[in-house]
Amino acid sequence: KQEVTQIPAALSVPEGENLVLNCSFTDSAIYNLQWFRQDPGKGLTSLLLIQSSQREQTSGRLNASLDKSSGRSTLYIAASQPGDSATYLCAPFRGGNKLTFGTGTQLKVEL
Amino acid sequence: NAGVTQTPKFRVLKTGQSMTLLCAQDMNHEYMYWYRQDPGMGLRLIHYSVGEGTTAKGEVPDGYNVSRLKKQNFLLGLESAAPSQTSVYFCASRPTGGRTEAFFGQGTRLTVV
Repeated sequence: KQEVTQIPAALSVPEGENLVLNCSFTDSAIYNLQWFRQDPGKGLTSLLLIQSSQREQTSGRLNASLDKSSGRSTLYIAASQPGDSATYLCAPFRGGNKLTFGTGTQLKVEL
Repeated sequence: NAGVTQTPKFRVLKTGQSMTLLCAQDMNHEYMYWYRQDPGMGLRLIHYSVGEGTTAKGEVPDGYNVSRLKKQNFLLGLESAAPSQTSVYFCASRPTGGRTEAFFGQGTRLTVV
């Protein structure tokens, strides 16, 4: 069974800092890994999809990396803003029903 | 761009009542999923479907039933609601193939009293 761990569980940073969110998973036989953002009381918004054959994927100030063999992914957020405050979830996908979520990193970016 | 739409958004039920949550997607996706999200436990898969007319159990299926009579709709039923089913329910869909991404609805917040 896939186990997904996200570290740290919570993070508070001042505006403008660059930060890294970590995701580790136990089963490396994945097709891809998706990073989501969830605002309080809202649904999940897809941020980045990184394929198993890729090392990195970028969207604006976000950069996701994937090291499938070691079961690790990181989400890098550059020049953080208060609007980035949310919970970030990673989800490795092994096909079919096997989309497994971590419990997330709750990020707060302060003015 | 509707994407994945869930109805209702909020509901309060009394113990023992029944209800159906509706998920509709307009992207012609084959796969559809129902998750529940509870504090400290992340999202857990309840049931899923790999196509019209098919359903299968996920990680926490007890107390729930599902149906997928039309490709675009995936219904989640609670026959006799219990307080342990108080949660936020999310529906998701994705196309076939391993290189595709999942899309989520905005959630249904259910309280069983």
